[in-house]
Amino acid sequence: QQPVQSPQAVILREGEDAVINCSSSKALYSVHWYRQKHGEAPVFLMILLKGGEQKGHEKISASFNEKKQQSSLYLTASQLSYSGTYFCGTSNAGNNRKLIWGLGTSLAVNP
Amino acid sequence: GAGVSQSPSNKVTEKGKDVELRCDPISGHTALYWYRQSLGQGLEFLIYFQGNSAPDKSGLPSDRFSAERTGGSVSTLTIQRTQQEDSAVYLCASSPGPNTGELFFGEGSRLTVL
Repeated sequence: QQPVQSPQAVILREGEDAVINCSSSKALYSVHWYRQKHGEAPVFLMILLKGGEQKGHEKISASFNEKKQQSSLYLTASQLSYSGTYFCGTSNAGNNRKLIWGLGTSLAVNP
Repeated sequence: GAGVSQSPSNKVTEKGKDVELRCDPISGHTALYWYRQSLGQGLEFLIYFQGNSAPDKSGLPSDRFSAERTGGSVSTLTIQRTQQEDSAVYLCASSPGPNTGELFFGEGSRLTVL
């Protein structure tokens, strides 16, 4: 039931691109993406609702494929500030209460 | 403050003792969540408060865990007779309403049970 995130970890050089995937074995209503830096609070990135929409936040965008029960987070021209652990939370209902979280993807961006 | 505030930031306790963790949500936010984050694990839902409704306690792992929210604002998570497996970071989050997308997290309370 817990979504599976891949890869578990990735190391980039500044300016490189990365894709983080979040897959579920159950039908999804929404996918929520957060980034957490070490010792800090998770910070909201974006939410995607079923319908296959795509959203963007500066150079970070995401897609949601209902059929594949999967969401992908795209990090373009990565910056040092992108380093952290990325979590996806999934819901098969219309609210946040029962979000099920993946184990996270650790991203390190080096100069 | 402007964000979600949690205290203490760090707590070391002996097995068998009780601990209380506090969460002060963003003013005006009616929804409040407690999560547990163990090393190498994702966020584990513990309990949810929404306004004056009965809380959703379905995530509490045992009856040693309880939480209350007074006056629809500050919340306290209590763990009785702590065990070593309770060691984790306990995160609190709030949101303006029940179906509002964004969760605003505090920095967490790191609990270590010796």
